[in-house]
Amino acid sequence: DGGITQSPKYLFRKEGQNVTLSCEQNLNHDAMYWYRQDPGQGLRLIYYSQIVNDFQKGDIAEGYSVSREKKESFPLTVTSAQKNPTAFYLCASTTTGGGLETQYFGPGTRLLVL
Amino acid sequence: AQKITQTQPGMFVQEKEAVTLDCTYDTSDQSYGLFWYKQPSSGEMIFLIYQGSYDEQNATEGRYSLNFQKARKSANLVISASQLGDSAMYFCAMVASGGSYIPTFGRGTSLIVHP
Repeated sequence: DGGITQSPKYLFRKEGQNVTLSCEQNLNHDAMYWYRQDPGQGLRLIYYSQIVNDFQKGDIAEGYSVSREKKESFPLTVTSAQKNPTAFYLCASTTTGGGLETQYFGPGTRLLVL
Repeated sequence: AQKITQTQPGMFVQEKEAVTLDCTYDTSDQSYGLFWYKQPSSGEMIFLIYQGSYDEQNATEGRYSLNFQKARKSANLVISASQLGDSAMYFCAMVASGGSYIPTFGRGTSLIVHP
């Protein structure tokens, strides 16, 4: 079954700690995206990548970092510089990222600060 | 710049009734795509329906249809014969070349279906 997996489902972060959220897809999609969703809000773009070894900042990239070493994987690191990281994080992918394409989403990771 | 506006924070509908969720958009592009997603309490975003700006007919997918009025820049989602499982957040989104094909999402509408 093709799809997008995110792990863990829940993640707890201590003050000053970096944490990494996993996103893997087996859809053979070129483009991948990370969004942040706060309660009662829409989705805000953190980072996106349209090709391996290349990625661009979205609207709220400060305090986050990403890598795209493999087509299937696009991990997101929430660094200690992100002062308010408690949110729901969604990973998505599209075929090429260069057209009117449908985004498909993973199940999300809820990050909580202890 | 692209913008999506969903003016209804919450909607209530009786089971088996139809409901319309509003979405208006703003773009200067001629070629764009409009999407609706459903987000149940579990959190996953589920793709429902797509409408291209050059599509002459309104999109339909089962009980979902998209009422596309290009001149008014509206793309309302119509859910016919509502079911209890339709209770969720619904997001309207747009993709256009002017936005580098990065989707823009509205703030969502919460739909509650009453038995």
